[in-house]
Amino acid sequence: SAVISQKPSRDICQRGTSLTIQCQVDSQVTMMFWYRQQPGQSLTLIATANQGSEATYESGFVIDKFPISRPNLTFSTLTVSNMSPEDSSIYLCSVARGPGDTQYFGPGTRLTVL
Amino acid sequence: SQQGEEDPQALSIQEGENATMNCSYKTSINNLQWYRQNSGRGLVHLILIRSNEREKHSGRLRVTLDTSKKSSSLLITASRAADTASYFCATGDDKIIFGKGTRLHILP
Repeated sequence: SAVISQKPSRDICQRGTSLTIQCQVDSQVTMMFWYRQQPGQSLTLIATANQGSEATYESGFVIDKFPISRPNLTFSTLTVSNMSPEDSSIYLCSVARGPGDTQYFGPGTRLTVL
Repeated sequence: SQQGEEDPQALSIQEGENATMNCSYKTSINNLQWYRQNSGRGLVHLILIRSNEREKHSGRLRVTLDTSKKSSSLLITASRAADTASYFCATGDDKIIFGKGTRLHILP
């Protein structure tokens, strides 16, 4: 398994501001993903973080709103830009060593936008 | 869109009883994973079952997979209060898509 940490664990932000969430893995992994979980809902995939290239976004998510970086095989960031109360969610990163392998999740970042 | 659909959406049982949750999906899969989430915290991976497997066990958990019916079930035997959580199935190889989940509540 992989040990995944996220920072911050939670934050309360004002609308119009941006927050960058960090995801650190204890070993090199091929695949990293970012998910959003709105209150009382299931997880929705935001994007696949690609090492050394632009992230691949799912329908309904755009780079201007959720810029993602992945400078190496153990680290990624997700920025939630120009936040509104609708962005209040738990944001989770996940990793897998390869296609078809078990996917592990970080503890999540609970974001509240006022 | 979501691939898996769990059934029931919510389930309450007495401690000690068995809990069964079902997951149906729409397209062919190579594997299916089950996760648990306690009170909006991070997800805990429970079991991965591959398309050529019909049943898999882990402790008190038993997962079955019927690819002809495009369905899977998660059985928790001898339930405990600590099993109270949301359970999700997820399918996909390079990226996984989650179902809506089943909220399980174990009554004392």
